[in-house]
Amino acid sequence: GAGVSQTPSNKVTEKGKYVELRCDPISGHTALYWYRQSLGQGPEFLIYFQGTGAADDSGLPNDRFFAVRPEGSVSTLKIQRTERGDSAVYLCASSLSPTGALLPEQFFGPGTRLTVL
Amino acid sequence: DAKTTQPTSMDCAEGRAANLPCNHSTISGNEYVYWYRQIHSQGPQYIIHGLKNNETNEMASLIITEDRKSSTLILPHATLRDTAVYYCIVRGLDTGRRALTFGSGTRLQVQP
Repeated sequence: GAGVSQTPSNKVTEKGKYVELRCDPISGHTALYWYRQSLGQGPEFLIYFQGTGAADDSGLPNDRFFAVRPEGSVSTLKIQRTERGDSAVYLCASSLSPTGALLPEQFFGPGTRLTVL
Repeated sequence: DAKTTQPTSMDCAEGRAANLPCNHSTISGNEYVYWYRQIHSQGPQYIIHGLKNNETNEMASLIITEDRKSSTLILPHATLRDTAVYYCIVRGLDTGRRALTFGSGTRLQVQP
Protein backbone atom coordinates (compact mmCIF):
# COMPACT_ATOMS: atom_id res chain seq x y z
CA GLY A 1 0.00 0.00 0.00
CA ALA A 2 0.93 3.64 -0.23
CA GLY A 3 3.31 4.94 2.38
CA VAL A 4 3.81 8.44 3.68
CA SER A 5 4.53 10.88 0.89
CA GLN A 6 6.09 14.31 1.10
CA THR A 7 6.26 17.09 -1.44
CA PRO A 8 8.38 18.63 -2.72
CA SER A 9 11.34 16.30 -2.36
CA ASN A 10 13.67 19.28 -2.64
CA LYS A 11 13.06 22.96 -2.06
CA VAL A 12 15.56 25.74 -2.58
CA THR A 13 14.56 29.19 -1.41
CA GLU A 14 16.13 32.50 -0.56
CA LYS A 15 16.56 33.90 2.90
CA GLY A 16 13.43 35.71 4.03
CA LYS A 17 11.02 33.81 1.80
CA TYR A 18 8.00 31.77 2.89
CA VAL A 19 7.82 28.02 2.25
CA GLU A 20 5.23 25.28 2.63
CA LEU A 21 6.05 21.62 2.95
CA ARG A 22 3.34 19.01 2.49
CA CYS A 23 2.84 15.60 4.07
CA ASP A 24 0.34 12.92 2.98
CA PRO A 25 0.08 10.33 5.75
CA ILE A 26 -0.98 6.72 5.46
CA SER A 27 -4.76 6.48 5.16
CA GLY A 28 -6.37 5.85 8.53
CA HIS A 29 -3.44 7.10 10.59
CA THR A 30 -4.75 9.66 13.04
CA ALA A 31 -1.35 10.61 14.45
CA LEU A 32 1.03 12.72 12.39
CA TYR A 33 4.50 13.98 13.33
CA TRP A 34 6.96 16.45 11.88
CA TYR A 35 10.68 16.13 12.53
CA ARG A 36 13.70 18.06 11.29
CA GLN A 37 17.06 16.48 10.60
CA SER A 38 20.29 18.42 10.22
CA LEU A 39 23.32 16.87 8.57
CA GLY A 40 24.92 14.19 10.73
CA GLN A 41 22.25 14.39 13.42
CA GLY A 42 19.27 12.28 14.34
CA PRO A 43 15.77 13.59 13.59
CA GLU A 44 14.49 16.24 15.99
CA PHE A 45 10.82 16.46 16.93
CA LEU A 46 8.86 19.53 15.86
CA ILE A 47 5.12 18.94 16.25
CA TYR A 48 2.60 16.15 16.74
CA PHE A 49 -1.03 16.08 15.56
CA GLN A 50 -3.76 13.82 16.85
CA GLY A 51 -6.53 14.24 14.31
CA THR A 52 -6.88 17.88 13.36
CA GLY A 53 -5.37 19.36 16.50
CA ALA A 54 -1.77 19.95 17.42
CA ALA A 55 -1.40 17.85 20.57
CA ASP A 56 2.24 18.78 21.13
CA ASP A 57 4.04 21.66 19.43
CA SER A 58 6.83 21.93 21.97
CA GLY A 59 9.49 21.18 19.36
CA LEU A 60 8.77 24.14 17.10
CA PRO A 61 11.89 26.32 17.38
CA ASN A 62 10.13 29.70 17.16
CA ASP A 63 7.01 31.42 15.89
CA ARG A 64 8.23 31.41 12.29
CA PHE A 65 7.25 27.74 12.19
CA PHE A 66 3.62 26.69 12.00
CA ALA A 67 1.80 23.54 10.92
CA VAL A 68 -1.79 22.68 10.12
CA ARG A 69 -3.83 19.58 9.50
CA PRO A 70 -7.32 20.97 8.80
CA GLU A 71 -9.10 17.75 7.83
CA GLY A 72 -7.12 15.32 9.92
CA SER A 73 -5.23 13.90 6.96
CA VAL A 74 -2.80 16.01 4.91
CA SER A 75 -0.56 18.32 6.89
CA THR A 76 1.38 21.41 5.83
CA LEU A 77 4.44 22.75 7.63
CA LYS A 78 4.84 26.46 7.04
CA ILE A 79 8.02 28.43 7.60
CA GLN A 80 7.97 32.22 7.42
CA ARG A 81 10.95 34.49 6.85
CA THR A 82 13.27 31.56 6.26
CA GLU A 83 16.81 31.70 7.57
CA ARG A 84 19.91 29.83 6.45
CA GLY A 85 19.79 27.87 9.70
CA ASP A 86 16.44 26.39 8.65
CA SER A 87 18.21 24.34 6.00
CA ALA A 88 17.60 20.67 6.85
CA VAL A 89 15.61 17.62 5.86
CA TYR A 90 12.06 17.85 7.12
CA LEU A 91 10.55 14.45 7.85
CA CYS A 92 6.93 13.56 8.32
CA ALA A 93 5.69 10.39 10.02
CA SER A 94 2.27 8.94 10.71
CA SER A 95 0.95 6.25 12.99
CA LEU A 96 -2.16 4.80 14.53
CA SER A 97 -3.21 6.35 17.82
CA PRO A 98 -1.30 5.20 20.89
CA THR A 99 -3.14 2.74 23.13
CA GLY A 100 -1.86 1.64 26.48
CA ALA A 101 1.80 2.15 27.26
CA LEU A 102 3.10 1.16 23.84
CA LEU A 103 3.87 3.70 21.15
CA PRO A 104 2.68 2.46 17.76
CA GLU A 105 5.13 2.15 14.90
CA GLN A 106 5.77 5.41 13.14
CA PHE A 107 6.01 5.30 9.36
CA PHE A 108 8.26 7.96 7.90
CA GLY A 109 8.18 9.66 4.57
CA PRO A 110 11.31 10.27 2.49
CA GLY A 111 11.56 13.86 3.66
CA THR A 112 11.82 17.27 2.02
CA ARG A 113 15.31 18.70 1.73
CA LEU A 114 15.06 22.44 2.33
CA THR A 115 17.95 24.67 1.35
CA VAL A 116 17.86 28.34 2.28
CA LEU A 117 20.38 30.41 0.34
CA ASP B 1 12.78 9.73 28.86
CA ALA B 2 15.75 7.56 29.65
CA LYS B 3 18.97 8.59 27.94
CA THR B 4 20.59 6.06 25.61
CA THR B 5 24.25 5.57 24.74
CA GLN B 6 25.36 3.87 21.53
CA PRO B 7 28.72 3.49 19.81
CA THR B 8 29.22 6.00 17.05
CA SER B 9 30.06 3.44 14.40
CA MET B 10 30.55 -0.27 13.78
CA ASP B 11 31.65 -2.49 10.94
CA CYS B 12 30.34 -5.94 10.12
CA ALA B 13 31.21 -8.46 7.42
CA GLU B 14 28.45 -9.40 5.02
CA GLY B 15 26.75 -12.63 6.07
CA ARG B 16 27.87 -12.33 9.67
CA ALA B 17 25.73 -11.30 12.62
CA ALA B 18 25.72 -7.63 13.51
CA ASN B 19 25.35 -6.96 17.23
CA LEU B 20 24.51 -3.35 18.06
CA PRO B 21 24.64 -2.44 21.75
CA CYS B 22 22.68 0.24 23.58
CA ASN B 23 22.99 1.38 27.18
CA HIS B 24 19.93 2.80 28.92
CA SER B 25 20.82 2.60 32.59
CA THR B 26 18.14 5.09 33.70
CA ILE B 27 15.25 3.24 32.06
CA SER B 28 12.11 3.06 34.17
CA GLY B 29 9.75 0.14 34.57
CA ASN B 30 7.16 1.21 32.02
CA GLU B 31 9.51 2.38 29.28
CA TYR B 32 9.92 0.38 26.13
CA VAL B 33 13.07 0.03 24.04
CA TYR B 34 12.55 0.80 20.34
CA TRP B 35 14.97 0.40 17.46
CA TYR B 36 14.73 2.29 14.21
CA ARG B 37 17.19 2.51 11.37
CA GLN B 38 17.78 5.08 8.67
CA ILE B 39 19.25 4.13 5.35
CA HIS B 40 20.98 6.95 3.50
CA SER B 41 18.55 9.50 2.03
CA GLN B 42 15.50 7.73 3.43
CA GLY B 43 13.28 8.31 6.44
CA PRO B 44 13.76 6.18 9.55
CA GLN B 45 12.26 2.69 9.55
CA TYR B 46 10.93 0.80 12.55
CA ILE B 47 12.76 -2.43 13.34
CA ILE B 48 11.61 -3.86 16.65
CA HIS B 49 10.64 -3.00 20.22
CA GLY B 50 10.62 -4.69 23.61
CA LEU B 51 9.83 -4.17 27.27
CA LYS B 52 11.70 -6.85 29.17
CA ASN B 53 11.51 -10.08 27.21
CA ASN B 54 13.67 -10.86 24.24
CA GLU B 55 11.90 -10.27 20.95
CA THR B 56 12.38 -11.52 17.41
CA ASN B 57 10.79 -10.60 14.12
CA GLU B 58 11.63 -11.04 10.46
CA MET B 59 14.18 -8.23 10.57
CA ALA B 60 16.06 -8.67 13.83
CA SER B 61 16.25 -9.89 17.40
CA LEU B 62 16.28 -7.71 20.50
CA ILE B 63 18.01 -8.94 23.62
CA ILE B 64 17.29 -6.96 26.79
CA THR B 65 19.34 -7.65 29.91
CA GLU B 66 17.53 -8.81 33.02
CA ASP B 67 18.07 -5.47 34.78
CA ARG B 68 16.92 -3.72 31.57
CA LYS B 69 19.86 -1.33 31.68
CA SER B 70 21.12 -2.36 28.28
CA SER B 71 20.03 -4.11 25.13
CA THR B 72 21.47 -5.50 21.92
CA LEU B 73 19.96 -5.46 18.47
CA ILE B 74 21.03 -8.46 16.44
CA LEU B 75 20.88 -8.67 12.66
CA PRO B 76 21.55 -12.39 12.21
CA HIS B 77 22.95 -12.33 8.66
CA ALA B 78 23.89 -8.80 7.70
CA THR B 79 23.68 -7.78 4.06
CA LEU B 80 24.96 -4.69 2.28
CA ARG B 81 21.41 -3.33 2.42
CA ASP B 82 21.66 -3.24 6.22
CA THR B 83 24.22 -0.43 6.03
CA ALA B 84 22.44 2.37 7.90
CA VAL B 85 22.31 4.44 11.07
CA TYR B 86 20.63 2.49 13.87
CA TYR B 87 18.81 4.36 16.62
CA CYS B 88 18.00 2.96 20.06
CA ILE B 89 15.14 4.89 21.70
CA VAL B 90 13.63 4.48 25.13
CA ARG B 91 10.17 5.87 25.64
CA GLY B 92 7.18 5.50 27.90
CA LEU B 93 3.82 7.22 27.72
CA ASP B 94 4.04 8.75 31.20
CA THR B 95 5.67 11.85 29.81
CA GLY B 96 2.71 12.50 27.57
CA ARG B 97 5.09 12.77 24.65
CA ARG B 98 4.21 10.70 21.63
CA ALA B 99 7.16 11.66 19.47
CA LEU B 100 10.40 9.74 19.28
CA THR B 101 13.61 11.22 20.66
CA PHE B 102 16.49 10.25 18.40
CA GLY B 103 20.10 10.42 19.49
CA SER B 104 23.00 10.21 17.08
CA GLY B 105 22.71 6.45 16.63
CA THR B 106 25.25 3.88 15.49
CA ARG B 107 26.44 3.99 11.91
CA LEU B 108 26.70 0.36 10.78
CA GLN B 109 28.82 -0.32 7.73
CA VAL B 110 28.41 -3.81 6.29
CA GLN B 111 31.54 -4.75 4.37
CA PRO B 112 31.50 -7.10 1.36
